Amino acid sequence: GENVEQHPSTLSVQEGDSAVIKCTYSDSASNYFPWYKQELGKRPQLIIDIRSNVGEKKDQRIAVTLNKTAKHFSLHITETQPEDSAVYFCAATGGTALIFGKGTTLSVSS
Amino acid sequence: DTGVSQDPRHKITKRGQNVTFRCDPISEHNRLYWYRQTLGQGPEFLTYFQNEAQLEKSRLLSDRFSAERPKGSFSTLEIQRTEQGDSAMYLCASSFPRATGGGVETQYFGPGTRLLVL
Repeated sequence: GENVEQHPSTLSVQEGDSAVIKCTYSDSASNYFPWYKQELGKRPQLIIDIRSNVGEKKDQRIAVTLNKTAKHFSLHITETQPEDSAVYFCAATGGTALIFGKGTTLSVSS
Repeated sequence: DTGVSQDPRHKITKRGQNVTFRCDPISEHNRLYWYRQTLGQGPEFLTYFQNEAQLEKSRLLSDRFSAERPKGSFSTLEIQRTEQGDSAMYLCASSFPRATGGGVETQYFGPGTRLLVL
């Protein structure tokens, strides 16, 4: 079955810096890769997703890149702000069940 | 709030008791998913419904767990004879077929039910 590895587990940046979180997946049949942000005690919220027919997608300060050959995808956050502090999860699927990474705790200090 | 809702938000129970959680998906979403999330981990898939049919179950869903979606709207997840290892956040998500292109649907999560088994 699918396995998703996520790195780093924690990431601390200064406000205004960029943050990059990387994930690798094992199943070449996976074709959908969402990223969720989860604040303490709250629901996971979709922030961006990418499908396997696209190599890059951007939404304001957030971008995701996908390398199908290497089976990895990354989340890029530019101009980080304190409100970006949260746990970020990547996920992958080729069907219905999302397989999640273990999460990255991002801390943005002002 | 028109998002996915779950009830209760918190549940404390004693080992051996039965508990039931409810999930109300986003209106018109025909697919509904249950996940379990333990501290420091990502959500783990438990089961999935399309309308009232339960189409997929994870190995994590032991025979003490049962999920239903009798009318294709809300869903319940019951855990019988709870164990301390069942303590976790139980998340529900729902999705709707994409308007164009088909493919995997975006899943929208509820706030979860946090279960503590003493």
